[in-house]
Amino acid sequence: GDSVTQMEGPVTLSEEAFLTINCTYTATGYPSLFWYVQYPGEGLQLLLKATKADDKGSNKGFEATYRKETTSFHLEKGSVQVSDSAVYFCALSDLNSGGSNYKLTFGKGTLLTVNP
Amino acid sequence: ETGVTQTPRHLVMGMTNKKSLKCEQHLGHNAMYWYKQSAKKPLELMFVYNFKEQTENNSVPSRFSPECPNSSHLFLHLHTLQPEDSALYLCASSQPNTGPDEQYFGPGTRLTVT
Repeated sequence: GDSVTQMEGPVTLSEEAFLTINCTYTATGYPSLFWYVQYPGEGLQLLLKATKADDKGSNKGFEATYRKETTSFHLEKGSVQVSDSAVYFCALSDLNSGGSNYKLTFGKGTLLTVNP
Repeated sequence: ETGVTQTPRHLVMGMTNKKSLKCEQHLGHNAMYWYKQSAKKPLELMFVYNFKEQTENNSVPSRFSPECPNSSHLFLHLHTLQPEDSALYLCASSQPNTGPDEQYFGPGTRLTVT
């Protein structure tokens, strides 16, 4: 079945540091890939997505490139801010086993803390 | 109201109580989902509804009973829960059958079973 593996946290950085959160996936089909973010006390919000190989998703200074050859979708940001402190989830969407609708599979999440 | 709303935001219940969680989406979507989020575990998909019909039940114990009266509302009825059911319960919605599933989440209900 499908699975998503992302780096264990927590990750603690100073403001303006470079961020990488690794994500790799296993899928039987040709999935779309997502990063969701969960701020304290809130639900998940879509951060960015990519639907085919070599696509780059970007939003709010975050980027991730769909690498089919390495089955990866690593999240990067050149200069993090305190307000980026949150839990980040990598996810993939693929047709479910019945082929009737798409299903999201999430990684365990990575807690990011950015200190001033 | 916009997006996906959930009530209550916090709930404490005893093991013999019966309570319900409510989710409402204002996005015109036709698919709705219940997820369970526990500490240090991946999000667990519990139920999926497409056009008010349940299309997925991921081996969820019968003490959790979903109800979807229309495409905008989703309930999760709870009875005789266990302490290990304490978690954040997230509702989401999407527009199915239009391609890769971008889901929109509510803020969740923090459930504590005592």
